[in-house]
Amino acid sequence: KAGVTQTPRYLIKTRGQQVTLSCSPISGHRSVSWYQQTPGQGLQFLFEYFSETQRNKGNFPGRFSGRQFSNSRSEMNVSTLELGDSALYLCASSSTSGRATDTQYFGPGTRLTVL
Amino acid sequence: GQQVMQIPQYQHVQEGEDFTTYCNSSTTLSNIQWYKQRPGGHPVFLIQLVKSGEVKKQKRLTFQFGEAKKNSSLHITATQTTDVGTYFCAGGAQKLVFGQGTRLTINP
Repeated sequence: KAGVTQTPRYLIKTRGQQVTLSCSPISGHRSVSWYQQTPGQGLQFLFEYFSETQRNKGNFPGRFSGRQFSNSRSEMNVSTLELGDSALYLCASSSTSGRATDTQYFGPGTRLTVL
Repeated sequence: GQQVMQIPQYQHVQEGEDFTTYCNSSTTLSNIQWYKQRPGGHPVFLIQLVKSGEVKKQKRLTFQFGEAKKNSSLHITATQTTDVGTYFCAGGAQKLVFGQGTRLTINP
């Protein structure tokens, strides 16, 4: 079974621009979660989608948004980029939604650099 | 909101020494999961503990879940350079919450 894939792997943007990141979950997985990872903050939960609906949301500003398509693929969008948005953005899929017992399968991440 | 605290944040050991990281929650957890992230990589699932007082072993790694299901530990015996990375615990009552991670570096 193919793992979680994320595109692009690396991205350089300038302040004020917007960016869209893509995630394809493991086949059959319907839940996709997004995390932001920075050296000082660990893994910060952004949001989770299940069957095209946002089920859980972390504590991030409205500039961070996402969506999920009928094939379970998910996209994350960040508008009006700030320097502090530079991070590794990780996508994780699981077979069910929102349960604390779900194992998360992570993709390789998208490294975003904001200049 | 629910928080999972993990200590220490960093640990540097000599190869062959033991290593332990601890995970604590103020609320009862339905389960605890452990992940490892190698430098430059992404978190990879190691194990899940569900029962109170549960202990599981994977070769040199020993995982424990506290009796009250509020804490957990990961112990590595006789570390090797391949153990380098950041170890995350994750747990929750309703949804999974990740700890801040313990970054392990090893002097060969």
